[in-house]
Amino acid sequence: QQQVKQSPQSLIVQKGGISIINCAYENTAFDYFPWYQQFPGKGPALLIAIRPDVSEKKEGRFTISFNKSAKQFSLHIMDSQPGDSATYFCAASGGYKLSFGAGTTVTVRA
Amino acid sequence: DGGITQSPKYLFRKEGQNVTLSCEQNLNHDAMYWYRQDPGQGLRLIYYSQIVNDFQKGDIAEGYSVSREKKESFPLTVTSAQKNPTAFYLCASSLQGYNQPQHFGDGTRLSIL
Repeated sequence: QQQVKQSPQSLIVQKGGISIINCAYENTAFDYFPWYQQFPGKGPALLIAIRPDVSEKKEGRFTISFNKSAKQFSLHIMDSQPGDSATYFCAASGGYKLSFGAGTTVTVRA
Repeated sequence: DGGITQSPKYLFRKEGQNVTLSCEQNLNHDAMYWYRQDPGQGLRLIYYSQIVNDFQKGDIAEGYSVSREKKESFPLTVTSAQKNPTAFYLCASSLQGYNQPQHFGDGTRLSIL
């Protein structure tokens, strides 16, 4: 069964808007939470990652929020741009293996 | 430029045939991974290797085999035992150790004729 649940499956946002993707996990041994961005026909690229000793991490327009007690984490894309249109995957790891969410396809309308 | 090269980009297999997917990296990474990607299911781990001459099964290893004879190479064989091989296959690498960021190649799309 999927160890990381991701929602929504897809979302559409206007240029300049905020995209929010949520993920939840059950395994309390997870202690590393990366997000990947994937364009069609390409491999995923690491976007940003967080460890559970912080509640928020920001890199440019991308922010991860982490709630350890709720076992949830989310990606916020601020000021969304058409070039952000891609599929985003959350993931979690407690060692050598990454468990991925099912992905969210983000479409940014100009 | 350092990176991960997967070849070929598209591959076709006849029923009953084994096929081998290539993955080469020049990032000097010790660890390498193979994932399978299907629509709506994210990425699932097939095999991974932390060092040369050693590898472990992932979550969906049945019908697949790997070898790790060189640090820079981690080929994946999709055997005839894999009943549903049509998928997008992704190779990744990382530094050895706990929770290291993984870097991906651009994948091989395998289809059954």
